[in-house]
Amino acid sequence: DAGITQSPRHKVTETGTPVTLRCHQTENHRYMYWYRQDPGHGLRLIHYSYGVKDTDKGEVSDGYSVSRSKTEDFLLTLESATSSQTSVYFCAISESWTVYGYTFGSGTRLTVV
Amino acid sequence: GQQLNQSPQSMFIQEGEDVSMNCTSSSIFNTWLWYKQDPGEGPVLLIALYKAGELTSNGRLTAQFGITRKDSFLNISASIPSDVGIYFCAGLNYGGSQGNLIFGKGTKLSVKP
Repeated sequence: DAGITQSPRHKVTETGTPVTLRCHQTENHRYMYWYRQDPGHGLRLIHYSYGVKDTDKGEVSDGYSVSRSKTEDFLLTLESATSSQTSVYFCAISESWTVYGYTFGSGTRLTVV
Repeated sequence: GQQLNQSPQSMFIQEGEDVSMNCTSSSIFNTWLWYKQDPGEGPVLLIALYKAGELTSNGRLTAQFGITRKDSFLNISASIPSDVGIYFCAGLNYGGSQGNLIFGKGTKLSVKP
């Protein structure tokens, strides 16, 4: 394993509640990403970070916020969960955004009921 | 935005058969990547291609970076049961934002009944 851990692995939450997913890495990589994976859509970028406190929006950022206060941790928050945010969420890390590809975590399966 | 068209969407394999899948785009990419995802896990990088025309092998896997920089293919020779899974292509454009790794929707490989 490349030293990337997502928690929790599974979560069921109610509509309207806040949810925070955590990504933790031990590789000291600069870049971290949050993706969601849905049938028929593949992997879509939510937010990414290019350093501590440096983040930017991806393709599907509405309804999500992120924070990175330490190199090793990248948090994804759903301020008020909706059923459309039921998905599998993957965190990824990379040493450089132009080469080597990304290393993915094992995912968090989130169900909003 | 940029899109990758990955085909086929799904295919059945019989042990020993060769498998081909490809990705095309209307946009130019600087890097092509191929990932495999097993059930319940995150995608794992198989092959990375950095130069137009490049042909790269990784065991029974062979991938090529199209000369136009708008396509890539992946071949699997003499398939085995553990090849089952979802294969994703991904393209990276250096001229885009740092989070601009675009994924295809995947090719699902299953064992022929």
